[in-house]
Amino acid sequence: EAQVTQNPRYLITVTGKKLTVTCSQNMNHEYMSWYRQDPGLGLRQIYYSMNVEVTDKGDVPEGYKVSRKEKRNFPLILESPSPNQTSLYFCASTAVDTGELFFGEGSRLTVL
Amino acid sequence: RKEVEQDPGPFNVPEGATVAFNCTYSNSASQSFFWYRQDCRKEPKLLMSVYSSGNEDGRFTAQLNRASQYISLLIRDSKLSDSATYLCVVNPVDSSYKLIFGSGTRLLVRP
Repeated sequence: EAQVTQNPRYLITVTGKKLTVTCSQNMNHEYMSWYRQDPGLGLRQIYYSMNVEVTDKGDVPEGYKVSRKEKRNFPLILESPSPNQTSLYFCASTAVDTGELFFGEGSRLTVL
Repeated sequence: RKEVEQDPGPFNVPEGATVAFNCTYSNSASQSFFWYRQDCRKEPKLLMSVYSSGNEDGRFTAQLNRASQYISLLIRDSKLSDSATYLCVVNPVDSSYKLIFGSGTRLLVRP
């Protein structure tokens, strides 16, 4: 089954405690991205990756890092989380032929 | 002005009703358009792409009006299971990685 898997699904943490949200896809897609979703603001792109070792900033990259060492994995790193990073995060991979995004189930992060 | 704007709703309609949503976009050079559906607390999923000639998939019809810079989604014979948030998505350039999402329109279908 084609899928994008993110972990953890839910996390409560404290300001400054580094955390990583993992993302893995089994569709051999080259293009992957991270979004955050906040009420009234829609989905906003944080970072994207066009292939292994190729990453670039999206619209709201501040406070986040990513890496793409393997095609299937695209982790999102919050080095020093702050309360304004409390949000619902989605990882997605793109089928380039159709442009369709396949989303993970989401990771709800709360930073106290 | 937001790049992609949608009426947040909610649109509250009875089963069997026809309902339509519009979405406006600001970049006249936008290349491709999509409607995604998002259930409460779930991930968005592609509902349909929107082509210049318009397209239909069962009870769902999507249309593009480039002159007025909006896309529309028409749902006929609404079902309870259609209750969800519908996201308008625009690709402002011919690239897979730069999609702009609207904030979504919420639809509630009541018995």
